[in-house]
Amino acid sequence: EDKVVQSPLSLVVHEGDTVTLNCSYEVTNFRSLLWYKQEKKAPTFLFMLTSSGIEKKSGRLSSILDKKELFSILNITATQTGDSAVYLCAVASSGTYKYIFGTGTRLKVLA
Amino acid sequence: DTGVSQNPRHKITKRGQNVTFRCDPISEHNRLYWYRQTLGQGPEFLTYFQNEAQLEKSRLLSDRFSAERPKGSFSTLEIQRTEQGDSAMYLCASSPTPVAGGGRDTQYFGPGTRLTVL
Repeated sequence: EDKVVQSPLSLVVHEGDTVTLNCSYEVTNFRSLLWYKQEKKAPTFLFMLTSSGIEKKSGRLSSILDKKELFSILNITATQTGDSAVYLCAVASSGTYKYIFGTGTRLKVLA
Repeated sequence: DTGVSQNPRHKITKRGQNVTFRCDPISEHNRLYWYRQTLGQGPEFLTYFQNEAQLEKSRLLSDRFSAERPKGSFSTLEIQRTEQGDSAMYLCASSPTPVAGGGRDTQYFGPGTRLTVL
């Protein structure tokens, strides 16, 4: 059965720290991996990765995919309290329209 | 802001009642998804529409759940004979027609409808 596993489940850091969130997956016919940020509302899109080894970057956030080892990481540098949220990873497969989400990593950044 | 909208935002109902939720996607987005999210979990795929056609449903979806998108614009999700286990946040997302080079998997989520079944 297809699955997406995120780790750690939760994380508490102080402002200025760098964090690395992990997402591993087992799906047939991988098509893409997506990262979302969810605060007390709906998920907002961060990145979509389809190719191995190509880093996507947006400000202090960056992400990379390793299709051989079947995982992705999301890095956040110089964390701020506004980064506190649940970070979700989702994987899409060819031949299906559904997305499989992990349970998320809850990040709390302390001032 | 012409993002995805959902109504109602909150619904409290008694067990056994029917409920219906509405989703208005971003205009011109032909792809529409419904998800269910419970506390501490990621969104769980329920169903997918491309225009008015329902192209995929979760195998886990009970036959008490039905969704429509009659004119390829807004969509409704109905739950019949609600059970306490149906209590969750129901999220709708839309995405545009795929373009060459990408964009297929970028989903825009609505604020969700929180259902509480007493």
